[in-house]
Amino acid sequence: EDQVTQSPEALRLQEGESSSLNCSYTVSGLRGLFWYRQDPGKGPEFLFTLYSAGEEKEKERLKATLTKKESFLHITAPKPEDSATYLCAVQAEASKIIFGSGTRLSIRP
Amino acid sequence: GAVVSQHPSWVICKSGTSVKIECRSLDFQATTMFWYRQFPKQSLMLMATSNEGSKATYEQGVEKDKFLINHASLTLSTLTVTSAHPEDSSFYICSARVGSGSDTQYFGPGTRLTVL
Repeated sequence: EDQVTQSPEALRLQEGESSSLNCSYTVSGLRGLFWYRQDPGKGPEFLFTLYSAGEEKEKERLKATLTKKESFLHITAPKPEDSATYLCAVQAEASKIIFGSGTRLSIRP
Repeated sequence: GAVVSQHPSWVICKSGTSVKIECRSLDFQATTMFWYRQFPKQSLMLMATSNEGSKATYEQGVEKDKFLINHASLTLSTLTVTSAHPEDSSFYICSARVGSGSDTQYFGPGTRLTVL
């Protein structure tokens, strides 16, 4: 059965303190792995799509990496406005995408 | 680009009434749209997949007669919650896929439904 597990469930960092969020997955035939950011009461905002192991993508303070078993979302020198829930989702061949439960990230000024 | 809108952003209704939620892709054509439901502090749960011009595909456990989905054009899908009950209160989010060659889904801002 396809599964997506995100850790930690919640993470509190000081402004400027870099860290990484983990997304572990088991899926038969990965078609794509997606990262989204979700603010309270809003829909998810697309960040990245990764397709194959070894692929990396960056956007401002965020960098996503992918291996055959997991993906990391690295956040460098975060700011309070980076506080949000970060969702990981995977899609197997010819199937729906499956979301992880998310990591609630809080950045203290 | 890839902007998805939803209307209304929130709605309060009485038990037993029906509520329609619209999902529009503003700057692209979406052959496939998706409807999700999200409870507080939980992740998104797929309710149904909507393909333009054909019947929606519902996930297991989702009542198709209660959650009516219509995808009449390449830019509009609607979700109607029929005979709403308090347990239907939730955050409903739609998403749309750009064309047929991309798997990335772009999400709307969501609709908060409260059934009294």
